[in-house]
Amino acid sequence: AQSVTQPDIHITVSEGASLELRCNYSYGATPYLFWYVQSPGQGLQLLLKYFSGDTLVQGIKGFEAEFKRSQSSFNLRKPSVHWSDAAEYFCAVGALNAGNMLTFGGGTRLMVKP
Amino acid sequence: DTAVSQTPKYLVTQMGNDKSIKCEQNLGHDTMYWYKQDSKKFLKIMFSYNNKELIINETVPNRFSPKSPDKAHLNLHINSLELGDSAVYFCASSQGLSNQPQHFGDGTRLSIL
Repeated sequence: AQSVTQPDIHITVSEGASLELRCNYSYGATPYLFWYVQSPGQGLQLLLKYFSGDTLVQGIKGFEAEFKRSQSSFNLRKPSVHWSDAAEYFCAVGALNAGNMLTFGGGTRLMVKP
Repeated sequence: DTAVSQTPKYLVTQMGNDKSIKCEQNLGHDTMYWYKQDSKKFLKIMFSYNNKELIINETVPNRFSPKSPDKAHLNLHINSLELGDSAVYFCASSQGLSNQPQHFGDGTRLSIL
């Protein structure tokens, strides 16, 4: 069975600083991976996805993520954080052989200091 | 134009009651899902339907019964509500059972008194 670990429950960064959110996955086959963002009281919005090919993927709102098979990681990065980026971030792994079921990590809450 | 819409947004009820949450998507997708998010923000799949057929049924009590009248709708009925059912329930949809991303509704916050 697949699993996802987001080691950091909370992260606080200053506005304008760079950001990296960690994600480690466990899956027996080639994974497909997602990052979603959840603002308070809202649903989940897709930031980016990785299926195959180039291991550095670009997403919306200036985010990018890099797939590293050797480290089983899919970390999310942004070079300069804006106050509006404060939210909960979820990494997820999808399973083709399980009805497209998504397994989510526990989430990382990002707080942005002015 | 809301892509995945859920009603109601908030649901407050007493233990033992029966309630339903409705979900509709206008994206033309053929696969729909229900997820439960607990108080610690942990998200877990409950059900998945493809072309109105049940595909995933995780270890969910049989008090929870999904119904898909057509590809655009997946409703969730819950019998004999318990305190532990308090959570946010998210509906999602995608195209097919391949690696297409899922689109989420805004959630229904269920509170059991």
